[in-house]
Amino acid sequence: EDKVVQSPLSLVVHEGDTVTLNCSYEVTNFRSLLWYKQEKKAPTFLFMLTSSGIEKKSGRLSSILDKKELFSILNITATQTGDSAVYLCAVDSRNYGGATNKLIFGTGTLLAIQP
Amino acid sequence: NAGVMQNPRHLVRRRGQEARLRCSPMKGHSHVYWYRQLPEEGLKFMVYLQKENIIDESGMPKERFSAEFPKEGPSILRIQQVVRGDSAAYFCASSPSKTGYEQYFGPGTRLTVT
Repeated sequence: EDKVVQSPLSLVVHEGDTVTLNCSYEVTNFRSLLWYKQEKKAPTFLFMLTSSGIEKKSGRLSSILDKKELFSILNITATQTGDSAVYLCAVDSRNYGGATNKLIFGTGTLLAIQP
Repeated sequence: NAGVMQNPRHLVRRRGQEARLRCSPMKGHSHVYWYRQLPEEGLKFMVYLQKENIIDESGMPKERFSAEFPKEGPSILRIQQVVRGDSAAYFCASSPSKTGYEQYFGPGTRLTVT
């Protein structure tokens, strides 16, 4: 069965700290891995990773994928209280002869930044 | 460009009633996905639709649940004879194509069954 596992489940740090969130996966037909940030409502897109070893960066956030070891990390440097959210990792898996296009989500990491 | 829109944002239904959740994808997006998020659980895929076609409904319960995406108008997720276990947040996402594009999520509909 396809699965995505995130760790830690929750994390509390102080403003200014650096955090690393982990995502490992086992899926039959991997196409890409995505990171989303979920506050009170809609998950908002952060990164899509398709190739191993290529870091994607956006401000204080960065992410990298290792397709050999089947995991990804999301780094946040100089954390701010506005970074408090649930961070979701999802894998885009294709089945049914390539017809479908569904995301398999992990349960998320709840990140709390204390001032 | 307006994002993915869902309505209602909150819906309360008594057991046995019907729930209709609507999703308007982003402009130019013809692929729609429905996900359900139960309390303390991650998002679970339910169904993937293109205009007038259900492509993959492998995550949707076989009974009481149905989805459509007509040629005109929003996508509808319909739950008949709701039960307490249907209480959850239902998210819709859209993308312009099935390959190479991220899915953009709507704000969700929080369904409460009393």
